[in-house]
Order: sequence, then structure tokens, then C-alpha cells
Amino acid sequence: DQQVKQNSPSLSVQEGRISILNCDYTNSMFDYFLWYKKYPAEGPTFLISISSIKDKNEDGRFTVFLNKSAKHLSLHIVPSQPGDSAVYFCAAITRGSTLGRLYFGRGTQLTVWP
Amino acid sequence: DGGITQSPKYLFRKEGQNVTLSCEQNLNHDAMYWYRQDPGQGLRLIYYSQIVNDFQKGDIAEGYSVSREKKESFPLTVTSAQKNPTAFYLCASSIGVRTTETQYFGPGTRLLVL
Repeated sequence: DQQVKQNSPSLSVQEGRISILNCDYTNSMFDYFLWYKKYPAEGPTFLISISSIKDKNEDGRFTVFLNKSAKHLSLHIVPSQPGDSAVYFCAAITRGSTLGRLYFGRGTQLTVWP
Repeated sequence: DGGITQSPKYLFRKEGQNVTLSCEQNLNHDAMYWYRQDPGQGLRLIYYSQIVNDFQKGDIAEGYSVSREKKESFPLTVTSAQKNPTAFYLCASSIGVRTTETQYFGPGTRLLVL
């Protein structure tokens, strides 16, 4: 039962354009969301996060938007660069939970071409 | 130079053999995690530990075992009961399960069955 879903396994974008990666979740108890970036044969690295009390968080070229009513979040990368080519994982957590675990989506492979 | 180290980078297992994957962190983190990554499956939680001498099963614990005798170390044993062990294994840590949600990942170990 996938509580965090990334329905697009891949996305291809031209350099300089906007990349939009989408993520949906089913558990209304999630109150914190994260995006991780992963290169092949490496561990994921934390990219950006957002609390459920906000609807937008920005960090340089990366912006995450949260729509709680739709249980949907998206990661915008502007402008996209070839070095952004990687797998992007969406993750969610209920911070008050004693379990303290992240739930990950299956990832979206982003390819930025020149 | 703090971080998480995993060894070996590649590991080969024969049928019926137990193998142990190493994970060490010098970040002084309380919580540690083991994930398995398969193509198209994202990151699935195997085991996690919130504190020394304590650990909990994740979503796919069958065929795996762990120990947490030291804060810095969280080894994962893939037993012969795990029928499909070929995967990329990732270890992660975080300050604590309630104080922060950001998990930091090691470089991973790829396990192959001969």
C-alpha cells in the first residue's frame, strides 16, 4: 500500500526550462514532506522540505509547493540544468508519531538535455 | 569530516549464505535506518533503530536481521531466508526520530547473488 506516490517514472526537460515533479500522498496525518535527489550508485541527498503549515518553500532554483486539500506536492526546478539529471524521491512523515519513519515514493527519473 | 560509511561497495552472496553489510556514522545521530532499493520500487524500509539496543521492523524485515550495540554502528545481516536479496542497500541516520526528519544517507552497498 503506497502512501506516497510518484506517478511519473520519468521526465525529460530541456536545459533552461522548468522541471515539475509531482507527488501525491494518501495519509492525512503526514505533516512534513521532503525531496531527495539520487545519482546512480550513490545514496540520496536531501534537497528541500516543507511543513504542512506552509504551502510553499523556496531554496534557490528549487521550490516545493504543497496543496493539502488535494494531498499533492510538487517540486519546481527553474532553470533546469544538466547536472539536475537524477532520480528524485518524494518522502513524507508524521512528526508527532513515535515511529519516526519516512515514507518514500518510487522516484522520478529527471533527464535534462542541452 | 562527518558522515556515513557503508562497506563493502559490492558484495557477493552464495546460495544459503548469510552476509553482513556494515554501516557506520560519526554524526552522533541517535536514529539509524536500513533501506532497500530495487528498480522501480523506490526506497523500502527494512529496519530502523531509534536508540542503542533498540530496533524496529520496517516494511520488508523478513529475511533480515540487525543489531545496534553501539550508537555509531548498525549492521544489517541478509540471511539465507531472504529469497531475493539482490538489491542496492542504503543506510541512513538522523539526529532523532522526533527532533528532525532529515535523514542522511550512506553511499550504499550493492548485493549480488552468485
